[in-house]
Amino acid sequence: DQQVKQNSPSLSVQEGRISILNCDYTNSMFDYFLWYKKYPAEGPTFLISISSIKDKNEDGRFTVFLNKSAKHLSLHIVPSQPGDSAVYFCAASRDDKIIFGKGTRLHILP
Amino acid sequence: EAQVTQNPRYLITVTGKKLTVTCSQNMNHEYMSWYRQDPGLGLRQIYYSMNVEVTDKGDVPEGYKVSRKEKRNFPLILESPSPNQTSLYFCASSLSTALAKNIQYFGAGTRLSVL
Repeated sequence: DQQVKQNSPSLSVQEGRISILNCDYTNSMFDYFLWYKKYPAEGPTFLISISSIKDKNEDGRFTVFLNKSAKHLSLHIVPSQPGDSAVYFCAASRDDKIIFGKGTRLHILP
Repeated sequence: EAQVTQNPRYLITVTGKKLTVTCSQNMNHEYMSWYRQDPGLGLRQIYYSMNVEVTDKGDVPEGYKVSRKEKRNFPLILESPSPNQTSLYFCASSLSTALAKNIQYFGAGTRLSVL
């Protein structure tokens, strides 16, 4: 049973435009949601998080939106830059466990 | 420099030959975890540890063992590796508070091939 779903394996966005990565979850008991970014040959790095009691968190070019009624969160990157090309993992946590999605590969086109 | 160090980075072995992948962190983190990454499956948690001598199973623990005798080290042991354990492995660590444990620091990964 996949509790955290990223239904788009890949996404291509023009440089300077907005990138929107989506994530759905099934367990309403998750209390934190996170996004990690991964470059080839490196480990994932933490990007941004949001508590389940909030609906938006912003950090520079990155904003995460949480829609609890739809069990959906999204990551907005604006403006997109070439260095944003990477795999993005959505994750959700409760107590001591973190569950990751399968990842979405973002390509930023020149 | 704050980091999580995994060794080796690459390993080719044969079925049944016991191996250990080491993981060490220098940030005094209580929480440590092992993940495997497979194509189309994302990151899946194998085992985690909340502190010294405290370990627990993640989502895919079968075929793996861990130990946490010291705070900084969290080795992953494959007693009898099989080809389905061919994967990319990541160790991670974090503080253990409610929010901080979600902000995990990952090692660079160990690519394991079991023939």
